Amino acid sequence: KAGVTQTPRYLIKTRGQQVTLSCSPISGHRSVSWYQQTPGQGLQFLFEYFSETQRNKGNFPGRFSGRQFSNSRSEMNVSTLELGDSALYLCASSLQGAKDQPQHFGDGTRLSIL
Amino acid sequence: DQQVKQNSPSLSVQEGRISILNCDYTNSMFDYFLWYKKYPAEGPTFLISISSIKDKNEDGRFTVFLNKSAKHLSLHIVPSQPGDSAVYFCAASGWVPNAGKSTFGDGTTLTVKP
Repeated sequence: KAGVTQTPRYLIKTRGQQVTLSCSPISGHRSVSWYQQTPGQGLQFLFEYFSETQRNKGNFPGRFSGRQFSNSRSEMNVSTLELGDSALYLCASSLQGAKDQPQHFGDGTRLSIL
Repeated sequence: DQQVKQNSPSLSVQEGRISILNCDYTNSMFDYFLWYKKYPAEGPTFLISISSIKDKNEDGRFTVFLNKSAKHLSLHIVPSQPGDSAVYFCAASGWVPNAGKSTFGDGTTLTVKP
């Protein structure tokens, strides 16, 4: 069974640009969550999508947005990039996003802002 | 306001000995707890979980203990092996409205010395 796939693995952008990250969940998984990890920090929750609807949202500015398609694939977009957006962005999927369903993570997209 | 705290950024133990990783939480709405392990350049992988209706859950060398009154949980690894060297994240989740959202601690880097 294929795992969670995130593309691209690495990305370099400059301040003010925008970026789109992609996540393909495990087949059959309908819940997709996005997290940001910065050095020495835990995983900060960005948002969760379920059946194409944003079900939960973390405390990030409106520059961070996402969407989910009918095949459960998800994209995350960050506009007007800032230096502080440099981080590892992780996508995780689970069957339905229930609290007792462990999340399956991709290997992340490493975003560097110059 | 960090709701899940792992107060020890790092832990070093000798191979064969016990590793004890600690986690504290503040939100009494959390009722399901998970541990994830993360190797460099990979996404976190699920290790073990525990529901608030239990105080212990065991899976092979890994045991998680939950003390609800103290809002504290710990992960015991016995015996520790060099391959256990990784970053360990504690995560907490609750029911609606936070379904699909896990709150993570900052992680503890475990080093098991041969």
